[in-house]
Amino acid sequence: GDSVTQMEGPVTLSEEAFLTINCTYTATGYPSLFWYVQYPGEGLQLLLKATKADDKGSNKGFEATYRKETTSFHLEKGSVQVSDSAVYFCALSRGGGADGLTFGKGTHLIIQP
Amino acid sequence: GAVVSQHPSRVICKSGTSVKIECRSLDFQATTMFWYRQFPKQSLMLMATSNEGSKATYEQGVEKDKFLINHASLTLSTLTVTSAHPEDSSFYICSARRPQEDTQYFGPGTRLTVL
Repeated sequence: GDSVTQMEGPVTLSEEAFLTINCTYTATGYPSLFWYVQYPGEGLQLLLKATKADDKGSNKGFEATYRKETTSFHLEKGSVQVSDSAVYFCALSRGGGADGLTFGKGTHLIIQP
Repeated sequence: GAVVSQHPSRVICKSGTSVKIECRSLDFQATTMFWYRQFPKQSLMLMATSNEGSKATYEQGVEKDKFLINHASLTLSTLTVTSAHPEDSSFYICSARRPQEDTQYFGPGTRLTVL
């Protein structure tokens, strides 16, 4: 079946550091890929998505590129802020979001001033 | 932005009782809603897909007689945990699909504790 693997946390960085959170997936066909973020006390929010190979999703300074050859969708940000502290979930869907999502376990990101 | 609410946010019940959780899309119509379950330090696991006006589709291993799902309108889906037991204690999260964006929007979750 489908699965998503992302790096375990917590990941602790200093403000303005470069961020990478790794995500790899296993799925047949061509799933859509997503990053969701969960801030403390809030529900999951869509951060970015990519629906086909080589697509780059971007939002709020975060980027991720759909790499089919390495089955990866790593999340990056050039300069993190304290407000980026949250839990980040990588996910996939066969139906482009129309189907239920398969999630990774989540990565807790802590940014220190 | 799209808003999805859940009610209640927390519920504590005795073993053997039933608990109903509501999921509402507040500013859009959702033909499809999803229910997930999240264990501590674990990922969200899809439980079922709820389609307005039809029976829910359950994932393998999810007891449909225990987790009753009703999607009676385009803005409301309910999950009823019947005859709850302590092992049903978990964080239940719903999402609603916004058709024109093909994107799911998530509710804030409901923490269920069964004593």
